[in-house]
Amino acid sequence: KQEVTQIPAALSVPEGENLVLNCSFTDSAIYNLQWFRQDPGKGLTSLLLIQSSQREQTSGRLNASLDKSSGRSTLYIAASQPGDSATYLCAVKADSWGKLQFGAGTQVVVTP
Amino acid sequence: DTGVSQNPRHKITKRGQNVTFRCDPISEHNRLYWYRQTLGQGPEFLTYFQNEAQLEKSRLLSDRFSAERPKGSFSTLEIQRTEQGDSAMYLCASSHWDPGLAVEQYFGPGTRLTVT
Repeated sequence: KQEVTQIPAALSVPEGENLVLNCSFTDSAIYNLQWFRQDPGKGLTSLLLIQSSQREQTSGRLNASLDKSSGRSTLYIAASQPGDSATYLCAVKADSWGKLQFGAGTQVVVTP
Repeated sequence: DTGVSQNPRHKITKRGQNVTFRCDPISEHNRLYWYRQTLGQGPEFLTYFQNEAQLEKSRLLSDRFSAERPKGSFSTLEIQRTEQGDSAMYLCASSHWDPGLAVEQYFGPGTRLTVT
């Protein structure tokens, strides 16, 4: 049974520092992995999707890496800003058919 | 079409009442998903549709829960005889499924249910 873990559960950094968020999964047979952002009381905003054949994906200040063999993905956010404060969730998809399986998220606070 | 929409955004109901939520996906998306999220946790899968066909249901979806997507467009999720444990954020997502393509799921703002 696939389990997705995100450690730490919470993180606080000063503005300008780079953020490193971790996601681990127990079954390496994944189809893809998706990173989301969630603001308090809101829905999820998709940040990046990495296919199982890819090693990384980049969008602006965001870079996500994927190491299937070790069951890990890392989301890097460069030069953090207070507006980056949110909960970041990773989710894996086992096959092309359907559901995402989520970690519990990492709550990030960027202090000015 | 600017994204997935959900109504209502908030619902407070008394234990034992029935509630129904609606999700309108992105118009060209053929896949629609329902998830439930409790405080401090990631969303948990409930069910999904390919057009109007319900293809998978989680064990979390007890007999009190039913979902429909009658014309392959909007979807409704009904909870009968609500219990306090049903209090959660109910999230809808949609995607365009194409064999062999890795496609993103786009989420709506959610419906927050409080059962008193």
